Amino acid sequence: AQKVTQAQTEISVVEKEDVTLDCVYETRDTTYYLFWYKQPPSGELVFLIRRNSFDEQNEISGRYSWNFQKSTSSFNFTITASQVVDSAVYFCALSEASYGGATNKLIFGTGTLLAVQP
Amino acid sequence: DTAVSQTPKYLVTQMGNDKSIKCEQNLGHDTMYWYKQDSKKFLKIMFSYNNKELIINETVPNRFSPKSPDKAHLNLHINSLELGDSAVYFCASTNVAGGWTGELFFGEGSRLTVL
Repeated sequence: AQKVTQAQTEISVVEKEDVTLDCVYETRDTTYYLFWYKQPPSGELVFLIRRNSFDEQNEISGRYSWNFQKSTSSFNFTITASQVVDSAVYFCALSEASYGGATNKLIFGTGTLLAVQP
Repeated sequence: DTAVSQTPKYLVTQMGNDKSIKCEQNLGHDTMYWYKQDSKKFLKIMFSYNNKELIINETVPNRFSPKSPDKAHLNLHINSLELGDSAVYFCASTNVAGGWTGELFFGEGSRLTVL
């Protein structure tokens, strides 16, 4: 069975602090995708990143970076120099990577609410 | 232009009533979804449609009936509403014709409150 665990329910930081959001996953699939989505106060979820299970290279995009470690089944997300606009609920998600097309689905974690105080 | 739009955004109704939520996407995607987000923010897939055909139906009570008149629209009708149906319902879409990417485009959600 597939499962995503985000142990941090809420995190509060002060602007300019660095913050890491943890994600641990379980799957029996040999190939899979991992994702992060952001849900700002406006409500709609926004795709941030996808990683393939065979690609353990870390990724950096501006102030965002992601650390994928297959050995610990973790896919952590770090925001450097956080800003008030980063305040949102962040979801880690998992899916199989087979060419299932429409039968594939995202399995979400329970989300981490990040509050960045000015 | 909103890519994935849902109506209504808010819905307050009494137990036992029937209500519908509509969703439209203008992205040209071939697959649409309904997700339910409960009060603890947990997101769970309910249904998916690909080119108007039901693909995923995740152990959802029969009171929930999705309908896709065309691949740009996916509606959700709920009969005999119960208190536990109170949640935010999200519509999402993606294109799977070229393979699954997992990049879904979500609407802003429809908050349903059952009294």
